[in-house]
Amino acid sequence: GIQVEQSPPDLILQEGANSTLRCNFSDSVNNLQWFHQNPWGQLINLFYIPSGTKQNGRLSATTVATERYSLLYISSSQTTDSGVYFCAVGDRGGADGLTFGKGTHLIIQP
Amino acid sequence: SAVISQKPSRDICQRGTSLTIQCQVDSQVTMMFWYRQQPGQSLTLIATANQGSEATYESGFVIDKFPISRPNLTFSTLTVSNMSPEDSSIYLCSALGGSNEQYFGPGTRLTVT
Repeated sequence: GIQVEQSPPDLILQEGANSTLRCNFSDSVNNLQWFHQNPWGQLINLFYIPSGTKQNGRLSATTVATERYSLLYISSSQTTDSGVYFCAVGDRGGADGLTFGKGTHLIIQP
Repeated sequence: SAVISQKPSRDICQRGTSLTIQCQVDSQVTMMFWYRQQPGQSLTLIATANQGSEATYESGFVIDKFPISRPNLTFSTLTVSNMSPEDSSIYLCSALGGSNEQYFGPGTRLTVT
């Protein structure tokens, strides 16, 4: 099956800093999503982005499908951005179950 | 986006018993999924639940251990059967949104003693 690698595994930043999270995948995908799992365990869908670039407020994401990677950018970090960020992919069409990476654990300090 | 609820939110069960987890979506959805998140780990797909057909299980998961029902377009259940301590995990259901994004429920935290 597809392998999903995320980096860095852990990241500690001060409030206001910017960050870039990376997701590499081992094979072609037609479904890629970014999620934020908050400290209470709730998973929030940030982006559905199998290719191209999207922006939502302070967050943006870019997927270069031909080179098998995706990037999540967080600007002007806030303490509420803390949690685990997961990249997840699917290779059987858009409507399929996802293979998750191990996540990036982000801590934003005040 | 879909709003998803799960029951129970948490439970402590004895070895050898079974627990059924319910997942309710606030709108009709074609596909629902069940995942497991072991302590401190990432999510692993258990199965895909389609209305009107048998669930499709991923490698390493079998119907006898994790029977799934999908009686209509807003509801699904996952049963964890004959539990052992290794089944202690968070079980999450998700639903497919209109643009192929997945929305997750809050999870069921299961502890098996």
